[in-house]
Amino acid sequence: KNEVEQSPQNLTAQEGEFITINCSYSVGISALHWLQQHPGGGIVSLFMLSSGKKKHGRLIATINIQEKHSSLHITASHPRDSAVYICAVKDGNQFYFGTGTSLTVIP
Amino acid sequence: EAGVVQSPRYKIIEKKQPVAFWCNPISGHNTLYWYRQNLGQGPELLIRYENEEAVDDSQLPKDRFSAERLKGVDSTLKIQPAELGDSAVYLCASSLWVAGELFFGEGSRLTVL
Repeated sequence: KNEVEQSPQNLTAQEGEFITINCSYSVGISALHWLQQHPGGGIVSLFMLSSGKKKHGRLIATINIQEKHSSLHITASHPRDSAVYICAVKDGNQFYFGTGTSLTVIP
Repeated sequence: EAGVVQSPRYKIIEKKQPVAFWCNPISGHNTLYWYRQNLGQGPELLIRYENEEAVDDSQLPKDRFSAERLKGVDSTLKIQPAELGDSAVYLCASSLWVAGELFFGEGSRLTVL
C-alpha cells in the first residue's frame, strides 16, 4: 500500500467545471505539497500547507490533519489547467509522493 | 531569480554507455534532491544533500549510480553503465532548508536504447 494515495487517477472535465482532487496519506506529516507537472515539463509547487486552507487564484488547497486528507480544488477550470497534479507529504526529512492525478480540461 | 536549472533536458544513449546529469539549485538553497520518475509514477528519491553532505542515499543504486555536490552548490548525477531500465526522467529539486518549500527543475529525460 502506498503511503500517499490520490484519487481519481484520471479526470476529464469540461471547461468551467469545478474540479476536486483528493489525497489521503498514512504517514506522519510536517507539511503537504501540491505539485503540478505539465507533459514534458518540470514540476511546479502550487501549495505547501500544514493546516487549514490556502488559496491562490482559482486554486484552493485544504488539509484535515486529523483525517489525514487533503483536497485540491480548481474553480472555473480551463484547458491550460490540464496537467498531472501530485500530492507529496513531508514526514521528517522524507517526502512521500502520490502517483498523480492526470487532469484533462476540454474546451 | 533563476529557478532550479538542469541539463541536458533530453538524452538518448545506448545501453552500457555512461551518462551524466547536472543540476544548479536555487541560490542559497542548502538542500538538494535527485529524484527518478518513471512514466505514470510519482518521483522516487535517489539522494538528498544537505550542503555538500549526502545525508540520504539509501535508494541510490550504488553499483552504477554516483552523485556529487563538491562545493555544496551544483550537483552531478552519473550512471555508468546505463541499463534499459534506467530510462526515466531525472528530477533535481532544492529547498532553502530541509523543511522548506520544494522547487523542481525541468528534469532530464533519459532514454536508453
